[in-house]
Amino acid sequence: DQQVKQNSPSLSVQEGRISILNCDYTNSMFDYFLWYKKYPAEGPTFLISISSIKDKNEDGRFTVFLNKSAKHLSLHIVPSQPGDSAVYFCAASAISSSNTGKLIFGQGTTLQVKP
Amino acid sequence: EPEVTQTPSHQVTQMGQEVILRCVPISNHLYFYWYRQILGQKVEFLVSFYNNEISEKSEIFDDQFSVERPDGSNFTLKIRSTKLEDSAMYFCASSDLYEQYFGPGTRLTVT
Repeated sequence: DQQVKQNSPSLSVQEGRISILNCDYTNSMFDYFLWYKKYPAEGPTFLISISSIKDKNEDGRFTVFLNKSAKHLSLHIVPSQPGDSAVYFCAASAISSSNTGKLIFGQGTTLQVKP
Repeated sequence: EPEVTQTPSHQVTQMGQEVILRCVPISNHLYFYWYRQILGQKVEFLVSFYNNEISEKSEIFDDQFSVERPDGSNFTLKIRSTKLEDSAMYFCASSDLYEQYFGPGTRLTVT
């Protein structure tokens, strides 16, 4: 089941620079997308979300962009900080067609921010 | 800040034994979920629960699994007869609308 894909297993950036994490999806029923951050031995922590009626959502250093025609979303972190080093998961949900809120996760991208 | 809690943090059990994983969701949330993550794999949906009943379950959630909300605060996942392949991190999540908030997880090791 590869409905949500994060093709880059890892990403390394310098502190202060921009981190761009990418996510692709195949199911056109998905209409709500979320990014989670996960440290080892902890649960996923909600970061930011976007509805399919928008193409951008911003919260502080985090911005999510959605390109529905390409079925692609990205998370931008700027400026990146060493504390941002973690695994980032993209997740998708089909809110309109299903009232259960089930999330489908990507494989995750490990971000390392070097001081 | 309200958070989802889970107990125990680590459970070791022998194959064939029953285990109960416990979760306390955020108090005003109405939707509850269990997910699991086998080492090196994706986080996978197991089951969603709303209004005291299962609203959706995955193929993984077979007859060995059950969920219950025995009182106003706890949400439990029971595995009746554990198998080696049930070894994973189990995450509970809750939401009041779209964003789900996850607990720290229970590491289940089946030997």
